[in-house]
Amino acid sequence: ETGVTQTPRHLVMGMTNKKSLKCEQHLGHNAMYWYKQSAKKPLELMFVYNFKEQTENNSVPSRFSPECPNSSHLFLHLHTLQPEDSALYLCASSQNAGPYEQYFGPGTRLTVT
Amino acid sequence: EDQVTQSPEALRLQEGESSSLNCSYTVSGLRGLFWYRQDPGKGPEFLFTLYSAGEEKEKERLKATLTKKESFLHITAPKPEDSATYLCAVQAGDYGQNFVFGPGTRLSVLP
Repeated sequence: ETGVTQTPRHLVMGMTNKKSLKCEQHLGHNAMYWYKQSAKKPLELMFVYNFKEQTENNSVPSRFSPECPNSSHLFLHLHTLQPEDSALYLCASSQNAGPYEQYFGPGTRLTVT
Repeated sequence: EDQVTQSPEALRLQEGESSSLNCSYTVSGLRGLFWYRQDPGKGPEFLFTLYSAGEEKEKERLKATLTKKESFLHITAPKPEDSATYLCAVQAGDYGQNFVFGPGTRLSVLP
C-alpha cells in the first residue's frame, strides 16, 4: 500500500463513451502525475500538477482532460477514445514537482472497444 | 532530447547468482536518477534516488550506483522474490517536467 489509490481498477469503454479515472493520495504531497503504460513501451508522462496548477502537458490529445481540484485528488476525464488508448493508466504523487521520488498507485487498466 | 536506455532487456538468473542491470542516460542537467521495481499488474515501487555522480545507495540485496552517463543496479545473491521489472527514470527539469522512464529490465530469478 503506497498511499495512492486509483479507481476504478479496470474499465472497459466504447469509443463514444465518457468516463473518468480518479486518483487520491494520502501522503500530504503537493504534486500529482498521470502516466500511460502501454505494452512494450516505457511509461509516458502525460500531465503534471504542482500545487493544483498544471505544469506539464506532454502533447496529450484533447480527448484526455485532467482535473486537479486539490493537492490530494486528481482526475482524468476520457471521451471519444481510440482503441490505441487502451493501456494501464498510472497516477503518482511526490513531495513537490522536482527531483523527488514519486509514489505510484496500482493503476487503472483501460480497454477501449 | 532526453533519453534513457536499459540493458539487458531481460535477464534470467539462478538463485544466488549476482549480476548488474544497466541504465544509460542522455539528459541536460540531471536533477535525479530513480530506480523502481514493478511487478506484473501493479504500479512501480520506489527503490532509490541518486543525485550526483559517485553516489551509492543500498537496500537489502540491491545496490545502486551513479556515474555521469549511467547507473547500475547491482543484485547480490538474488532470490526468486526479486523477480520483477526494474525501471530507471531521470528527471532534468525543475518542476517535474522531463521525467523520463527507460523501457525496463525484466528480471527472472529461478529457484
